[in-house]
Amino acid sequence: AAGVIQSPRHLIKEKRETATLKCYPIPRHDTVYWYQQGPGQDPQFLISFYEKMQSDKGSIPDRFSAQQFSDYHSELNMSSLELGDSALYFCASSPRDHPRDTQYFGPGTRLTVL
Amino acid sequence: ILNVEQSPQSLHVQEGDSTNFTCSFPSSNFYALHWYRWETAKSPEALFVMTLNGDEKKKGRISATLNTKEGYSYLYIKGSQPEDSATYLCAPANQAGTALIFGKGTTLSVSS
Repeated sequence: AAGVIQSPRHLIKEKRETATLKCYPIPRHDTVYWYQQGPGQDPQFLISFYEKMQSDKGSIPDRFSAQQFSDYHSELNMSSLELGDSALYFCASSPRDHPRDTQYFGPGTRLTVL
Repeated sequence: ILNVEQSPQSLHVQEGDSTNFTCSFPSSNFYALHWYRWETAKSPEALFVMTLNGDEKKKGRISATLNTKEGYSYLYIKGSQPEDSATYLCAPANQAGTALIFGKGTTLSVSS
């Protein structure tokens, strides 16, 4: 069965650089969620999209932006990277309300900021 | 913001032992409760989504119950195996389409 695809899987950047993370949801899933997991922490919700519109916003810094495209893939754009942005970034997708928004997670992108 | 508590925080059992963990959540405005299994270096894997008070779900040796009136869910593992070693996360939702607010999880370690 198709799963959520994230790219790249690993990314190393310098401070103040930019990064773009991509997420390709499971086919026919219309909702995408982004989570950030820092070292030793629980996954924290950043932002979500439903039918290409932002549906919910969590603890996403102003330096980050995201969007969902017409093919439902989503990109998380991160600018002015800081050391504290080093984390594992998960994307999850779900079909709205079936079954009750179970979210299927991708393998994550590990971002390291040096 | 949903306040989710899971206990115990960690658990170490021997192979063959049965065990259970608790997830506590606000009982008001309940929509669904999700259980996830998260192995080190992998992404969270959906185990169950539970919606009705009294729900019981089972997947192999793992089962879960739900009490929405008092705001708790139990996850049971029968005859634990080393491959069950993982962190088990619960995440309640109070409406459709919301992000998952995970509890701290229960980290299970099963020794052979």
